[in-house]
Amino acid sequence: GAGVSQSPSNKVTEKGKDVELRCDPISGHTALYWYRQRLGQGLEFLIYFQGNSAPDKSGLPSDRFSAERTGESVSTLTIQRTQQEDSAVYLCASSLVWDRDHEQYFGPGTRLTVT
Amino acid sequence: GDSVTQMEGPVTLSEEACLTINCTYTATGYPSLFWYVQYPGEGLQLLLKATKADDKGSNKGFEATYRKETTSFHLEKGSVQVSDSAVYFCALSPARSGTASKLTFGTGTRLQVTL
Repeated sequence: GAGVSQSPSNKVTEKGKDVELRCDPISGHTALYWYRQRLGQGLEFLIYFQGNSAPDKSGLPSDRFSAERTGESVSTLTIQRTQQEDSAVYLCASSLVWDRDHEQYFGPGTRLTVT
Repeated sequence: GDSVTQMEGPVTLSEEACLTINCTYTATGYPSLFWYVQYPGEGLQLLLKATKADDKGSNKGFEATYRKETTSFHLEKGSVQVSDSAVYFCALSPARSGTASKLTFGTGTRLQVTL
């Protein structure tokens, strides 16, 4: 079946512009995660959704970052007034159940470059 | 907070050589431990995992043992192949029940295997 998909695959934007990144999780996966990977660093957790529960936003680096998810489907990560330090690969993952041991399936990522 | 430290790369080996990639962690309680792999041009995928002390995860000839006394989860393979060339990430998931399965990652180790 189809895996996690993300769009766009690459995005170049000017400093100060807003960007939206999209994630389509695997059908039926109730949990959805966003991570960020800056050059030479590990993946940083950003935000997590589980069904209708309030999302865990503890990893969002500033109030310029926000994310939404409609039910158990598509999620959008929005970055307002982008800064150069926002340049990174943004990865989305989904999993079947809200369980620490359950495998997270990752999408290919969106490479964001802020000029 | 939780953290993962893994050896810096790149690691360059000849085919059939032995591989060890070191990973140590800092966390409260008993986290689950994972190795993820990212092959060139592909998304991140789970390689193996261990959920309690002394467990050994294994897959595709790779092994890692959860050592609580040394807070380590080193990745090993007895004979690497060119097809093992990839970036390897060590990660942990928190031990606390009732929380999200957000993953804390190391910075990644690039492995290059040559003929």
